Amino acid sequence: AQTVTQSQPEMSVQEAETVTLSCTYDTSENNYYLFWYKQPPSRQMILVIRQEAYKQQNATENRFSVNFQKAAKSFSLKISDSQLGDTAMYFCAFMGVRGGADGLTFGKGTHLIIQP
Amino acid sequence: DAGVIQSPRHEVTEMGQEVTLRCKPISGHNSLFWYRQTMMRGLELLIYFNNNVPIDDSGMPEDRFSAKMPNASFSTLKIQPSEPRDSAVYFCASRPYLGTDTQYFGPGTRLTVL
Repeated sequence: AQTVTQSQPEMSVQEAETVTLSCTYDTSENNYYLFWYKQPPSRQMILVIRQEAYKQQNATENRFSVNFQKAAKSFSLKISDSQLGDTAMYFCAFMGVRGGADGLTFGKGTHLIIQP
Repeated sequence: DAGVIQSPRHEVTEMGQEVTLRCKPISGHNSLFWYRQTMMRGLELLIYFNNNVPIDDSGMPEDRFSAKMPNASFSTLKIQPSEPRDSAVYFCASRPYLGTDTQYFGPGTRLTVL
C-alpha cells in the first residue's frame, strides 16, 4: 500500500514571500501520478498541480511549481509571491496507474497561513 | 458546465437513524469515488466505481456502510444505522474515463450524528 507523508502540520509566511510545502511518499510502483490539492475554508477540494512520474520535467502552474525527486520519493510544492487567498489546507496525493481507476491516497495536510 | 453535485450539503441526524448521501457526477465521467474526511484519519477513499460497477470497496469501514451506482449519473452512500463516529465530511469525486488521472471533487456533505 502507498503512504503519503506531509511533515509540516502548519506553516505561516508573510504575503509576497515564497513558501515550500514538503511531501514524501512510499510506493513500489514505477509509474504513478502525484497531486497537490488546496482546501480553503469552504472545504471545496481544488486541484493545484499534477505531476506524472515518468516525466522528469517539474510541473508548473503560474505561481505554483513542484520539485519532483523520484529517487528520493519527494514531491514538494513551491508557492511564489504568496497571496492572502492562498491561505488553506494543502494536501499531497498519490495515484497509481495499475490499469484501473485507482483512488487517491492523501497525506494529512499542511495548514498554510499567509499573513498580511 | 456543472461540477459534481452532492446533496445534502449538511445533514444532522440522531444515532441509529439511516443516512443517505447523494452524488451526481460530471456528465460523461465514468469513474466515481467516495471519500471521507475526519480530523483523526484525514481523507480516506471509501469505494470507487468504474462504469457503474464497484471496483474496490476495501475502504468501506463496516457493513453499516453501503454504496450504489444504479446509473451513470447517480450514486448513493448509505449508513444504516448511523453512529456518532460516522460524523465527517463525505466527498464524491468523478473522473472522465479510465486512464486519465484528474479527479474532480464535489462540495462535500458534512454529516453530524448526535
